[in-house]
Amino acid sequence: EAGVAQSPRYKIIEKRQSVAFWCNPISGHATLYWYQQILGQGPKLLIQFQNNGVVDDSQLPKDRFSAERLKGVDSTLKIQPAKLEDSAVYLCASSLRQGAYNSPLHFGNGTRLTVT
Amino acid sequence: GEDVEQSLFLSVREGDSSVINCTYTDSSSTYLYWYKQEPGAGLQLLTYIFSNMDMKQDQRLTVLLNKKDKHLSLRIADTQTGDSAIYFCARGVSGGYNKLIFGAGTRLAVHP
Repeated sequence: EAGVAQSPRYKIIEKRQSVAFWCNPISGHATLYWYQQILGQGPKLLIQFQNNGVVDDSQLPKDRFSAERLKGVDSTLKIQPAKLEDSAVYLCASSLRQGAYNSPLHFGNGTRLTVT
Repeated sequence: GEDVEQSLFLSVREGDSSVINCTYTDSSSTYLYWYKQEPGAGLQLLTYIFSNMDMKQDQRLTVLLNKKDKHLSLRIADTQTGDSAIYFCARGVSGGYNKLIFGAGTRLAVHP
């Protein structure tokens, strides 16, 4: 099966600019996650979708970050305006369903964002 | 302190066993996981253990869980150079829609 696809792989922007990341989950996976991984830290959940509805966005900085999952498939994560501390790898993951141990998360390779 | 803690670095000789340790604070976690991340790649699930288990073995991997001490370990037998990567411990949040809390990761370096 094809894995989780993310683009772009790398992005360099100046602070206060905007940026968008795209994710295509594994076909049939109902749950989609966006994680932020700052260098030297573990991934931190930003937002979780079940189909096209948000089930957890408690750690999403909503003043500058937004995400959507149109038609319950692809998803985009946007940052506007970017700050230096947003430099990180943004990982998208999907799972067949939520809340089950035997529905593991499958991660994409991530987008590495550098804000200068 | 951090929710899930790991030592940052481990160096082993090829062929030896590696033991990566993890401690966590929330005893209500139902499942605990080990993920592997190779350079430039996403995270790959290695194994998981249910909180009512003490041990789980899967080929070269052995997971030990000490619930009393909230301590989780991953043992890799016959460590190979291909095992060099960052290993993340994660706990599942109870009722949290499959939400995972990750540690900072342990970088495993395997040398000849």
